[in-house]
Amino acid sequence: NAGVMQNPRHLVRRRGQEARLRCSPMKGHSHVYWYRQLPEEGLKFMVYLQKENIIDESGMPKERFSAEFPKEGPSILRIQQVVRGDSAAYFCASSPGRPEETQYFGPGTRLLVL
Amino acid sequence: EDKVVQSPLSLVVHEGDTVTLNCSYEVTNFRSLLWYKQEKKAPTFLFMLTSSGIEKKSGRLSSILDKKELFSILNITATQTGDSAVYLCAANFGNEKLTFGTGTRLTIIP
Repeated sequence: NAGVMQNPRHLVRRRGQEARLRCSPMKGHSHVYWYRQLPEEGLKFMVYLQKENIIDESGMPKERFSAEFPKEGPSILRIQQVVRGDSAAYFCASSPGRPEETQYFGPGTRLLVL
Repeated sequence: EDKVVQSPLSLVVHEGDTVTLNCSYEVTNFRSLLWYKQEKKAPTFLFMLTSSGIEKKSGRLSSILDKKELFSILNITATQTGDSAVYLCAANFGNEKLTFGTGTRLTIIP
């Protein structure tokens, strides 16, 4: 059973460009979570999605950031007009949902904004 | 605000030593506490704890939760260099998202 897949693993963008990060959950998992980890900091929750629905986006900046989890295909975290402060590791996690709530993490995408 | 605090921030020990990592939390609809090990890449799941006083074990690692005092500990016995990592504690406060501590960076010296 493949784990959570994320791509790309590394992404370099110039200020003002768009970044698209993709996450494929583990097989059988319908809940996806995105977290951001800034250098020397802990992981911070961004958004929680189920298929075709955003359940909780309270941790995601209101501007420039968006997320989706379509019926078919991976979940996408999109950052428009990136700035240097967006440089971080972005981790995706998935879970099958209650009662099994353990979240399993992907390898992350390391975004560097020049 | 839901909060998770880990201590110490970093720890350096010799191979073979036993270590105890601490995690405390402020409760708001607490549901579960999770431990992860993070090396260079993905946080790897170790334990999920929901009940007080029940120790979970996996090889040389064990963990226990105290819901009265609002903390958990992660023990590693007979440490090996491969145990060097950042250990993350996270709590589920009933709203599906995890709140993480800043982690404990453990370094094992051969």
